[in-house]
Amino acid sequence: GQNIDQPTEMTATEGAIVQINCTYQTSGFNGLFWYQQHAGEAPTFLSYNVLDGLEEKGRFSSFLSRSKGYSYLLLKELQMKDSASYLCAVRDRGSNYQLIWGAGTKLIIKP
Amino acid sequence: ETGVTQTPRHLVMGMTNKKSLKCEQHLGHNAMYWYKQSAKKPLELMFVYNFKEQTENNSVPSRFSPECPNSSHLFLHLHTLQPEDSALYLCASSQERQLNTEAFFGQGTRLTVV
Repeated sequence: GQNIDQPTEMTATEGAIVQINCTYQTSGFNGLFWYQQHAGEAPTFLSYNVLDGLEEKGRFSSFLSRSKGYSYLLLKELQMKDSASYLCAVRDRGSNYQLIWGAGTKLIIKP
Repeated sequence: ETGVTQTPRHLVMGMTNKKSLKCEQHLGHNAMYWYKQSAKKPLELMFVYNFKEQTENNSVPSRFSPECPNSSHLFLHLHTLQPEDSALYLCASSQERQLNTEAFFGQGTRLTVV
């Protein structure tokens, strides 16, 4: 079956680094997305990985290992505005290429 | 306007009411989606429209009825809902068949069924 797992909640300190993990099981992996969602707002796209390795985009980086069914989102130089939920989603061939979503990780940044 | 716009932002309705949610996208996309987001649960895909044709209906109860008059507009008609239908309803759009492109979301309608 299809399953996406990520921690429910994490806490980190302003200025620090945090890594949010996502593990997945799907019948036909076809790309992984990370989205950010502030409370009461729309999810917004952060990153896309389809090949193994690290994709860096400013303070945010995303890593993928297809053999391990594993991804992480790395946030550096944390700012208070990074307090949000981070959603992991996998495009699955077995689901007609629709996105399978994790429940999201709520990240709390403390001063 | 740009992006994906949803109205209303908040809706409270009784179980015997009929209401509609509206979504409009100004991105030139050919696919539109309705998702349900409940607290601490994954996004649940409800309906998918490609080029105005419904291509997915993920076992959604008939009290939810989608309508897609054109590729820029999507509606979700609601009737005789249950309290457990209270959730955030998100609309999204994307360019179908471009698998490496992301979906763009509206800000959602916070629905409360009383």
